[in-house]
Amino acid sequence: NAGVTQTPKFRVLKTGQSMTLLCAQDMNHEYMYWYRQDPGMGLRLIHYSVGEGTTAKGEVPDGYNVSRLKKQNFLLGLESAAPSQTSVYFCASRTGVNYGYTFGSGTRLTVV
Amino acid sequence: GQNIDQPTEMTATEGAIVQINCTYQTSGFNGLFWYQQHAGEAPTFLSYNVLDGLEEKGRFSSFLSRSKGYSYLLLKELQMKDSASYLCAVSRNSGAGSYQLTFGKGTKLSVIP
Repeated sequence: NAGVTQTPKFRVLKTGQSMTLLCAQDMNHEYMYWYRQDPGMGLRLIHYSVGEGTTAKGEVPDGYNVSRLKKQNFLLGLESAAPSQTSVYFCASRTGVNYGYTFGSGTRLTVV
Repeated sequence: GQNIDQPTEMTATEGAIVQINCTYQTSGFNGLFWYQQHAGEAPTFLSYNVLDGLEEKGRFSSFLSRSKGYSYLLLKELQMKDSASYLCAVSRNSGAGSYQLTFGKGTKLSVIP
């Protein structure tokens, strides 16, 4: 049972480049989330999904887009990367609102 | 809006007991979670409180008072491996069946011999 898998684990981008972060879960969870974690800021919600085909904005959505075409996958896209998007990105999923998140191992992104 | 406060850092001695406090202000409260995060790793689930009172799980216990907007995580018989950040997270109903966790900035606990 792999749980929540994030790819890639590390990436360096140049300003203006685009990329997609993939999150895959094999637990049949309905809810999926993308957070970013920055020193002194804690985990902040970027976008989330309450089921296949749905997405919604979180606290810090600007500069990011998401898609949930399949229940098991939640993609986070950066169309034009900026240095302010340098961060560690965590994907999480859960089966219901009274359950804890299961986190992926994170993607460390540096934009230069 | 939401506001979650927890101490930035704490230090405790191996074998001792430490209490990490968390205060919050939110609407649509639906429960409070505690997570442990070792440096360079993902957060892992520790506890969930939705009703007032104490939940005990081995060496870890978590307490919630909804009327006071207050929770604490109690760690007993501290071990060196307990050195980590502890994240307080509040679940709230933001409408249309949508619930998310809002995290505090975390408390970095250092356990010393």
